[in-house]
Amino acid sequence: GDSVTQMEGPVTLSEEAFLTINCTYTATGYPSLFWYVQYPGEGLQLLLKATKADDKGSNKGFEATYRKETTSFHLEKGSVQVSDSAVYFCALSLPGYGQNFVFGPGTRLSVLP
Amino acid sequence: DAGITQSPRHKVTETGTPVTLRCHQTENHRYMYWYRQDPGHGLRLIHYSYGVKDTDKGEVSDGYSVSRSKTEDFLLTLESATSSQTSVYFCAISDGGSLRSYEQYFGPGTRLTVT
Repeated sequence: GDSVTQMEGPVTLSEEAFLTINCTYTATGYPSLFWYVQYPGEGLQLLLKATKADDKGSNKGFEATYRKETTSFHLEKGSVQVSDSAVYFCALSLPGYGQNFVFGPGTRLSVLP
Repeated sequence: DAGITQSPRHKVTETGTPVTLRCHQTENHRYMYWYRQDPGHGLRLIHYSYGVKDTDKGEVSDGYSVSRSKTEDFLLTLESATSSQTSVYFCAISDGGSLRSYEQYFGPGTRLTVT
């Protein structure tokens, strides 16, 4: 079945460090890919997305490139801030009605000053 | 931000009592979803709706029912709450269709504790 795998957390970084959170997927069709972020006590917010191979999604300094050949969508940021501390979810969506969204387990990021 | 509200935001109830959670949207999106989020399990789909009065089961639907009588409202009911249903519940909406993949937008969540 369709699935999303993320690196296990928690990930702890110092402020201004480089961030990579790995995400790989398995899908029977041609998915769109997403990164969501969840801050403490809040719902998930869409961070960025890519809908076809080689597309790069970007937002708030975060980037991820849709790599069809490696079935990956790794999240990167050049210089993290304390305010980036949150849980990050990779997800895929396949065309079709209804139940077509698959989330990864989430990766908790803690950024220390 | 997508216009999604959930009520109540927090609830404590006793085992065996019925509980209804409400999700309200102002985006006129066709699809609405209920998820639960638990440590070690991530997000799991309970039920979803693809239109007024059109609903279907998700991954963990046992013990839950839903109703959607208006586009903007999606209700989740626990007929007889159990301690295993203690969780954080999220509503999501999407304007999805058959040929494209659409992102989902999430509400703020309801923290439910069953004692």
